[in-house]
Amino acid sequence: DAGVIQSPRHEVTEMGQEVTLRCKPISGHNSLFWYRQTMMRGLELLIYFNNNVPIDDSGMPEDRFSAKMPNASFSTLKIQPSEPRDSAVYFCASNLSGGRETQYFGPGTRLLVL
Amino acid sequence: GENVEQHPSTLSVQEGDSAVIKCTYSDSASNYFPWYKQELGKGPQLIIDIRSNVGEKKDQRIAVTLNKTAKHFSLHITETQPEDSAVYFCAASRPGGGKLIFGQGTELSVKP
Repeated sequence: DAGVIQSPRHEVTEMGQEVTLRCKPISGHNSLFWYRQTMMRGLELLIYFNNNVPIDDSGMPEDRFSAKMPNASFSTLKIQPSEPRDSAVYFCASNLSGGRETQYFGPGTRLLVL
Repeated sequence: GENVEQHPSTLSVQEGDSAVIKCTYSDSASNYFPWYKQELGKGPQLIIDIRSNVGEKKDQRIAVTLNKTAKHFSLHITETQPEDSAVYFCAASRPGGGKLIFGQGTELSVKP
């Protein structure tokens, strides 16, 4: 079975540009999580969805970040405008029914904002 | 807010030795404690977890212990092998919380 799929795997962009990261969760999973990983801050939860509805977005850094989940098989994380401090690895994870079940992580998108 | 502290940040052992990573959590309502392993260039992957009604759980060379009174839990890896080299994360979640709070990670290096 396919795991969590993320695209692109690598993204290099210039400051001020819009960046869109994409995630396809594992089929049948009803929760989806977006994380950001940096050396300084470790692994941070940005937002998570349950049944396509955002449940907790308290980790979203600021208004430049937005996330959507239009259906059960697709989610996007958008940064507009991007800044150098947004450079990080962004992970998407999914599971069935929330925090007490195993979260399955995708391979991540490595973002570099110049 | 909820917080998980993990120590040490780096750990170097000789092949065959044991490795221990410790975590403490702040939210006394937390009742689920997974451990994830992250290899270079990959996403974290669950290796073992423990729930609050259990004090210890073992799976081959890895084990996790939980002390709810002291609010800490530990990962034990015995007979370490070079392929155990990775970053390990502990995490905690509360009932109905829906999200995991991760520790800062421990970079384990197993030298042949």
